[in-house]
Amino acid sequence: GNSVTQMEGPVTLSEEAFLTINCTYTATGYPSLFWYVQYPGEGLQLLLKATKADDKGSNKGFEATYRKETTSFHLEKGSVQVSDSAVYFCALLYNNNDMRFGAGTRLTVKP
Amino acid sequence: KAGVTQTPRYLIKTRGQQVTLSCSPISGHRSVSWYQQTPGQGLQFLFEYFSETQRNKGNFPGRFSGRQFSNSRSEMNVSTLELGDSALYLCASSLGDRDKNIQYFGAGTRLSVL
Repeated sequence: GNSVTQMEGPVTLSEEAFLTINCTYTATGYPSLFWYVQYPGEGLQLLLKATKADDKGSNKGFEATYRKETTSFHLEKGSVQVSDSAVYFCALLYNNNDMRFGAGTRLTVKP
Repeated sequence: KAGVTQTPRYLIKTRGQQVTLSCSPISGHRSVSWYQQTPGQGLQFLFEYFSETQRNKGNFPGRFSGRQFSNSRSEMNVSTLELGDSALYLCASSLGDRDKNIQYFGAGTRLSVL
């Protein structure tokens, strides 16, 4: 079945460090891929998306490229800030309404 | 445009009781999905409603049920509460159409069962 596997956390970085959170997926066909972010005490917010192979989603300095050949959608940011501390979820949407989420990766950025 | 609104934000119940949670989607969104989030299991899909009909269902017991009204507002009900039902319940709304199904989440209802 369709599923998402993402890098287990927690991840702790210093401010201005480079961030990578790995995400791979299993799906038949061509799902859309998403990264959501959850700040403490809040719901999930859409961070970025990509709907087809080789698409690059980007927002707030974060980027992820839909790689069909490696079935991956890794999240990257060149220079993290303390305010980026949150839990990040990779997700796929298949066949209009079959949404699957990864387990989430907690990121802590220290000043 | 107002976001997804969930009420109440916090609930405390005891075992055996029942509870109803409410979700008001973004205006114009016809699909509402419900998720349970716990530290151990992560985000688990409960069900999705579209135009007042349940369109998808996750792997939860029949104690968990829902409905959607003609204005797209949705409620989720849990009967005979168990300690393990303590969780953050998230609602997400979307247009529900193919290729336009980005989900937007509410802040959640945190349910504690004592």
